[in-house]
Amino acid sequence: GAVVSQHPSWVICKSGTSVKIECRSLDFQATTMFWYRQFPKQSLMLMATSNEGSKATYEQGVEKDKFLINHASLTLSTLTVTSAHPEDSSFYICSAVRDQETQYFGPGTRLLVL
Amino acid sequence: SQKIEQNSEALNIQEGKTATLTCNYTNYSPAYLQWYRQDPGRGPVFLLLIRENEKEKRKERLKVTFDTTLKQSLFHITASQPADSATYLCALVKNAGNMLTFGGGTRLMVKP
Repeated sequence: GAVVSQHPSWVICKSGTSVKIECRSLDFQATTMFWYRQFPKQSLMLMATSNEGSKATYEQGVEKDKFLINHASLTLSTLTVTSAHPEDSSFYICSAVRDQETQYFGPGTRLLVL
Repeated sequence: SQKIEQNSEALNIQEGKTATLTCNYTNYSPAYLQWYRQDPGRGPVFLLLIRENEKEKRKERLKVTFDTTLKQSLFHITASQPADSATYLCALVKNAGNMLTFGGGTRLMVKP
């Protein structure tokens, strides 16, 4: 159990366009999901905490107007990168909290902005 | 400032040996600590969780220790196999907020 999926697994887009990434908990409900970003050979950096039914909490330095998060149900959170630029190219990973302690991670979404 | 440090250099060991990875932290009082495995281009996979009041946790060939005095956790893989080759991440949780802070990870290479 404890499967988290992400869609798409990879995306290439032109600079200035918006990209939506979905994160789903497939076999459990998650009131809290997290979004991370990982650059090559670096560790995961927390971007924001997504809470079902309320506004996301963003980490310092993360622009909330650029990275829109919606957690509309207990099994789905979405991250939209608005007006993407090449510097937004990265590996985006979500996680969902189960059992109050353990985070289960999605497989990640590779974003390349040209 | 708060820091979580893992050896950034890759750890190369021979198959069958025990791999030991280190996670040190400063200026933290974590409620619990977790270890994850990450393969290239994939999300982290949860391995073990150890709480602040626990000294040791085991799961099959894995063992984790947690020394809150030394502010250190050790992660052991016994009878290592080439399939164990991956990057291993430690992550700390300060309180019930579930927020994880990750170390930089250590890449383990097990040679046949």
